Amino acid sequence: ELKVEQNPLFLSMQEGKNYTIYCNYSTTSDRLYWYRQDPGKSLESLFVLLSNGAVKQEGRLMASLDTKARLSTLHITAAVHDLSATYFCAVVFVVGSGGYQKVTFGIGTKLQVIP
Amino acid sequence: DGGITQSPKYLFRKEGQNVTLSCEQNLNHDAMYWYRQDPGQGLRLIYYSQIVNDFQKGDIAEGYSVSREKKESFPLTVTSAQKNPTAFYLCASTGRRGYTFGSGTRLTVV
Repeated sequence: ELKVEQNPLFLSMQEGKNYTIYCNYSTTSDRLYWYRQDPGKSLESLFVLLSNGAVKQEGRLMASLDTKARLSTLHITAAVHDLSATYFCAVVFVVGSGGYQKVTFGIGTKLQVIP
Repeated sequence: DGGITQSPKYLFRKEGQNVTLSCEQNLNHDAMYWYRQDPGQGLRLIYYSQIVNDFQKGDIAEGYSVSREKKESFPLTVTSAQKNPTAFYLCASTGRRGYTFGSGTRLTVV
């Protein structure tokens, strides 16, 4: 079964603090995405991680991928209020002999940064 | 600028009525997808299409139908068989940077 689990599901943190969101998945994949969603809005692409050991950084966010551990992390450094949003990871799985790619989303982590 | 356009932004459906959500992309992407998002939940795949004139059921296809007659267009019909259609619907297509999402359609049953 293709499963993607994020934790925590809800995170309230003060400005200036650091924290990490975790994304675990159930079976082999070498492609993972992170998205941000503001309330009532669509999803905005943050990172595409394509190989084991991939690390990408944009501003106060840094994402990494460990395909052997089936784990990706999204690290937040010195959080600011503007980072308040829901963050989703999405994992690409190849299904069946036809090579179809299926993307499974985590349930999301709602981040609230308190000034 | 290339992107995905979903319309309408808000849609109200009466009981027993079929409604169609529009999704158009000018990104030249082959694959397109429809997702449903319920409050406080992640995204669940309804249908996807890897190529024109072909589409596959996702995890929650019951009560929905799609067509893919043109590369640019992937409309979703919510039929009367879908008993709980109130949700936020997102259309997406895939390219090098992963999924590009439309702005979404919020469907409410009245």
